[in-house]
Amino acid sequence: SQKIEQNSEALNIQEGKTATLTCNYTNYSPAYLQWYRQDPGRGPVFLLLIRENEKEKRKERLKVTFDTTLKQSLFHITASQPADSATYLCALDRDSWGKLQFGAGTQVVVTP
Amino acid sequence: EAGVTQSPTHLIKTRGQQVTLRCSPISGHTSVYWYQQALGLGLQFLLWYDEGEERNRGNFPPRFSGRQFPNYSSELNVNALELEDSALYLCASSLRTSGGGPLYFGPGTRLTVL
Repeated sequence: SQKIEQNSEALNIQEGKTATLTCNYTNYSPAYLQWYRQDPGRGPVFLLLIRENEKEKRKERLKVTFDTTLKQSLFHITASQPADSATYLCALDRDSWGKLQFGAGTQVVVTP
Repeated sequence: EAGVTQSPTHLIKTRGQQVTLRCSPISGHTSVYWYQQALGLGLQFLLWYDEGEERNRGNFPPRFSGRQFPNYSSELNVNALELEDSALYLCASSLRTSGGGPLYFGPGTRLTVL
């Protein structure tokens, strides 16, 4: 199965700056990749989905890139705000067997 | 539109007991997924139900089981509880489409096993 690697160290960033998170995977390239946000004690919330034939996807202050050659996705939060503080999860391949595999997540802390 | 709902919110049990968790998917969604998230760990896939059938299960022992009802709601049963079953149990729903798509998660049930 896929191994998904996300930075285990928390990303501390100042308000207004851009936060960049990395998701690396091994083995086969997934047909698509998803990003979720999770607040403590709550269920993940879907943010963005990018397909293998898409290089970049944007939604408001969020941007995701997908490089199948590097087997990597980058997730950017521009003009970060304290309300963006959360753990961000990348997930691969809700395959025909229904399994969406999640990375362990990277915690983002935005300070005023 | 109502989101995914789960009950109960919190649960405290002792070792060896049995527990049932409940989930109602978003209206129109036929697939229900169960994930376990132990403290400080990532989401581990437990079960996938679609159209009333168990379609796939993760690497969990048989004492984890469940079912999906005709109205697409679902139950997760855990028998012979062990301390390491303490976790946040998350239910998610989606449309059953090929090629994937997002999962919509409920708020979770926090299970504590003493």
